[in-house]
Amino acid sequence: QLQLQESGPGLLKPTETLSLTCTVSGGSISSSSDYWGWVRQPPGQGLQWIASVYYSGRTFYNPSLESRATISVDTSKSQFSLRLRSVTAADTAIYYCARHGDFFSGRHFDPWGHGTLVTVSS
Amino acid sequence: EVVLTQSPGTLSLSPGERATLSCRASRGVSNIYLVWYQQKPGQAPRLLIYGASTRAPGIPDRFSGGGSGTDFTLTISRLEPEDFAVYYCQVYGDSVFTFGPGTKVDVK
Repeated sequence: QLQLQESGPGLLKPTETLSLTCTVSGGSISSSSDYWGWVRQPPGQGLQWIASVYYSGRTFYNPSLESRATISVDTSKSQFSLRLRSVTAADTAIYYCARHGDFFSGRHFDPWGHGTLVTVSS
Repeated sequence: EVVLTQSPGTLSLSPGERATLSCRASRGVSNIYLVWYQQKPGQAPRLLIYGASTRAPGIPDRFSGGGSGTDFTLTISRLEPEDFAVYYCQVYGDSVFTFGPGTKVDVK
């Protein structure tokens, strides 16, 4: 069964770059019907989609974060990654990685990783 | 970009009661892209309903989804103790995923 696991630093200072990796197991990151995305949730708040990537490297972003975010995929390692530049306290959140499908397999997120808390503080 | 509004913000009910949650879109959306999730404290969201009305594998049939256009609902026919949680709707359109602010279902 497909499983995703986030990894990366849990504490950053303002202006630094957030770097997270999601490792996919139990399935192929190169599946033709799957996309891989990042969703975040500030403490006590709702969910915000950040970006998604296809195994070919095709990407799409939330317009509100596109100027600071970069998502990439490494099929040889079954991993995809997120970089978010110039972080502020507003970027403090639980960051989830998740799979979603295409038009045919469905634009819904399932499964999700457990999430990793990233705190931005000086 | 479509904006989703969920109501009520909090729904206080007792086990065994029926819960009806609303998700309204700022413009018409395709049913195939309307999704519902359940999230419990300390856990990742869990897929409940996709395509507005299709239950995800393993989801009990007390959960049902409906609606079209701009107005969608999630109904829990009889609340079980494990159903008290936050519920989010989500839509996809114009290459953007948008989540609603959530409805918290808590114990009355």
